Amino acid sequence: QVHLQESGPGLVKPSETLSLTCTVSGDSTSSRSYRWAWIRQSPGTGLEWIGEIYYDGTTDYNPSLKSRLIISLDTSKNEFSLRLTSVTAADTAVFFCARHYGNNYDYWGQGILVTVS
Amino acid sequence: DIQMTQSPSSMSASVGDRVTITCRASQGINRWLAWYQQKPGKAPKLLIYGASTLESGVPSRFSGSGSGTDFTLTISSLQPEDFATYYCQQGIGIPRTFGQGTRLEIK
Repeated sequence: QVHLQESGPGLVKPSETLSLTCTVSGDSTSSRSYRWAWIRQSPGTGLEWIGEIYYDGTTDYNPSLKSRLIISLDTSKNEFSLRLTSVTAADTAVFFCARHYGNNYDYWGQGILVTVS
Repeated sequence: DIQMTQSPSSMSASVGDRVTITCRASQGINRWLAWYQQKPGKAPKLLIYGASTLESGVPSRFSGSGSGTDFTLTISSLQPEDFATYYCQQGIGIPRTFGQGTRLEIK
């Protein structure tokens, strides 16, 4: 059974860096079959794709966030991470990590609320 | 970006009703379309991918159709557990984009 779990601080100050980690169990982040994604959801903007990373470290980012965003992968720990710099209140959201397979997202973490204040 | 527009934004229906939700893409996406169900406080759950392929474990009362720019999600006979918000998502372009959601409420 594949399980994803987000972790990180629930409160970040404006202008600081938001850092989250997604720990994967029941699957391997070094698998060539999948990508590993971050998606966020806020009342004002609905579901927003942030970006994703492939087993070899190749990334795709949302152009609207690209200048502030780094997604990285640690296959030895079977986890991947998100760093979003210079956050504002507009970055307040529930952040989900998810497994990307065949151009859709078949397993999701439970989500973590991050408030910028 | 490919814009995904769902209609209606919300609707009410009764148990046993047949319900159809539509999703329109701003440009052709072949059949790279997925549907998700989300309940309050939970992550979205994949229902359908490839426009019409049912994810394992999803009840057969859910079905999807369409290609190109116009897609539909149909629930043939609503059950109490189906009252939720539904999202479409395109899987051909970067960034991936979602529809704004359709909230399905009990009448």
